[in-house]
Amino acid sequence: ELKVEQNPLFLSMQEGKNYTIYCNYSTTSDRLYWYRQDPGKSLESLFVLLSNGAVKQEGRLMASLDTKARLSTLHITAAVHDLSATYFCAVEHNFGNEKLTFGTGTRLTIIP
Amino acid sequence: EAQVTQNPRYLITVTGKKLTVTCSQNMNHEYMSWYRQDPGLGLRQIYYSMNVEVTDKGDVPEGYKVSRKEKRNFPLILESPSPNQTSLYFCASSYPGGFDEQFFGPGTRLTVL
Repeated sequence: ELKVEQNPLFLSMQEGKNYTIYCNYSTTSDRLYWYRQDPGKSLESLFVLLSNGAVKQEGRLMASLDTKARLSTLHITAAVHDLSATYFCAVEHNFGNEKLTFGTGTRLTIIP
Repeated sequence: EAQVTQNPRYLITVTGKKLTVTCSQNMNHEYMSWYRQDPGLGLRQIYYSMNVEVTDKGDVPEGYKVSRKEKRNFPLILESPSPNQTSLYFCASSYPGGFDEQFFGPGTRLTVL
């Protein structure tokens, strides 16, 4: 059974600081996804990571995937208040399977 | 406007009364999926569909049914709802083979008394 763990679950950080959210998963997979959810809202796709060593960047967010370590990271650079949200990673069970398991989410609060 | 719509957005019902939550997308996506979101548990996949007449179970399919008779619609059916199905439900769609642009609906908050 595929298990996906995120940490930390809660993160409060000051504006301008850097931090990393970690997503570990328990079985082999080459596909990992990051999503953002604002309070009371739906989810928004952020990144799709499709192979070992994949790195994607958008603004102050950068995501990477190490399939050998079964680990993805979401790095936040010089955080700003607008990045306050809950971030989820999700892992596809097998290539082409299209079945996803989500992590429990990391609630990020950026303090001015 | 490209979107996924869900109806109703909010529903309060009683145990055992059959209900359907509709999901529709206007992007001609083959892939559609249903999730439920519960505090502390993240999102859990209920069912997904790779195309018309092709559906498969996610991680938590018990107590739910789906159908995919048309490409654009993917209704979620609760034949006999129970209080443990009280949750926030999301429908999503994308092209298969990568979820590159998985679009989520606005969510349906269901309360079963």
